[in-house]
Amino acid sequence: KNEVEQSPQNLTAQEGEFITINCSYSVGISALHWLQQHPGGGIVSLFMLSSGKKKHGRLIATINIQEKHSSLHITASHPRDSAVYICAVRRTGNQFYFGTGTSLTVIP
Amino acid sequence: GAGVSQSPRYKVAKRGQDVALRCDPISGHVSLFWYQQALGQGPEFLTYFQNEAQLDKSGLPSDRFFAERPEGSVSTLKIQRTQQEDSAVYLCASSLGRVPYEQYFGPGTRLTVT
Repeated sequence: KNEVEQSPQNLTAQEGEFITINCSYSVGISALHWLQQHPGGGIVSLFMLSSGKKKHGRLIATINIQEKHSSLHITASHPRDSAVYICAVRRTGNQFYFGTGTSLTVIP
Repeated sequence: GAGVSQSPRYKVAKRGQDVALRCDPISGHVSLFWYQQALGQGPEFLTYFQNEAQLDKSGLPSDRFFAERPEGSVSTLKIQRTQQEDSAVYLCASSLGRVPYEQYFGPGTRLTVT
């Protein structure tokens, strides 16, 4: 069983396209994180959400607590956005559960 | 300021050897997490420290895994009698406080057990 499910697993887009990555979870959470992992392993935290919506540059993250669902949107995608995007949820304790990631490739 | 650092970045161990992986969190960060990431998978939680206290070790896969943070800063993850299934990237992350705060990840240590 996987507490965090992401879709799609793989995504290829043309430069400039609007991209959506979805995350559904099945446990009660205190926060949800969107992470970006580039080849070679480095992980960068993009957003931490407990409600509503956050925006940073071309990235937008939303969360619907009632539906246990979050989305990460990338507007005007660029080849440098190519990476694995991981959704992670923090339980009300200290445990984190991670999705398996969405591998995004943006083609020039 | 400096981010989270981990050492070594790469470690090759023969099956049965003990290994020690080090994490230097961001100065002043109270919370420290260890994760294991197998190839092609998302990270999996191993253990959590708040200062020097190990508050959650439920993710450690066996009693061969041991973590400590004796002075509430640097942490070491030790794996005894390594097995091939221990091959993975071990990630450390720190965050400022106890309540949900953004996590800052280290670059990871890639462990290969031969």
